[in-house]
Amino acid sequence: KQEVTQIPAALSVPEGENLVLNCSFTDSAIYNLQWFRQDPGKGLTSLLLIQSSQREQTSGRLNASLDKSSGRSTLYIAASQPGDSATYLCAVRQAAGNKLTFGGGTRVLVKP
Amino acid sequence: GAVVSQHPSWVICKSGTSVKIECRSLDFQATTMFWYRQFPKQSLMLMATSNEGSKATYEQGVEKDKFLINHASLTLSTLTVTSAHPEDSSFYICSARGEREYQPQHFGDGTRLSIL
Repeated sequence: KQEVTQIPAALSVPEGENLVLNCSFTDSAIYNLQWFRQDPGKGLTSLLLIQSSQREQTSGRLNASLDKSSGRSTLYIAASQPGDSATYLCAVRQAAGNKLTFGGGTRVLVKP
Repeated sequence: GAVVSQHPSWVICKSGTSVKIECRSLDFQATTMFWYRQFPKQSLMLMATSNEGSKATYEQGVEKDKFLINHASLTLSTLTVTSAHPEDSSFYICSARGEREYQPQHFGDGTRLSIL
């Protein structure tokens, strides 16, 4: 059974610092991995999707890496801004089936 | 980008009422739609997966007679919470994926259900 863990559970940084969010998963037979952002009381916004054959994806200030063999993904957010404050979730889709397994999320606060 | 619309965003109703939540893909055809439940400060738990025109597949522990899912078209899925009770109060989120396997899931804004 796939288990996804995100550490730390919460993170507070001053504006301008780079953010590093970690996601680990127990079963390396994944189809893809997706990073999401969730604002309080809202749904999820997809940030980056990494296919199992890829090692990283970039979008603007965001960069996500994937090391399937070690069961890890890292989301980097460069030059953080107060607007980046949110909960970040990673989710893994298994090679067989549609199901996404979510991590518990990292709650990020960027202080002005 | 792909947009998923969920309606209503907030429902408050009395115990025993049935509540229907709609999930629509606005600019793409959603072959597969998913329904999740989220408790406060917790992550998302998949309740069921639905494919257009066929019966939904429920996760273990989810009562299919309690949570009725209909995916009647490629752009609409509905979740009906039947005879809702206070313990059904939660945040429900739907997501949809297009026809290609490799495409990401896109999520709605969620529905906050409060049963009095």
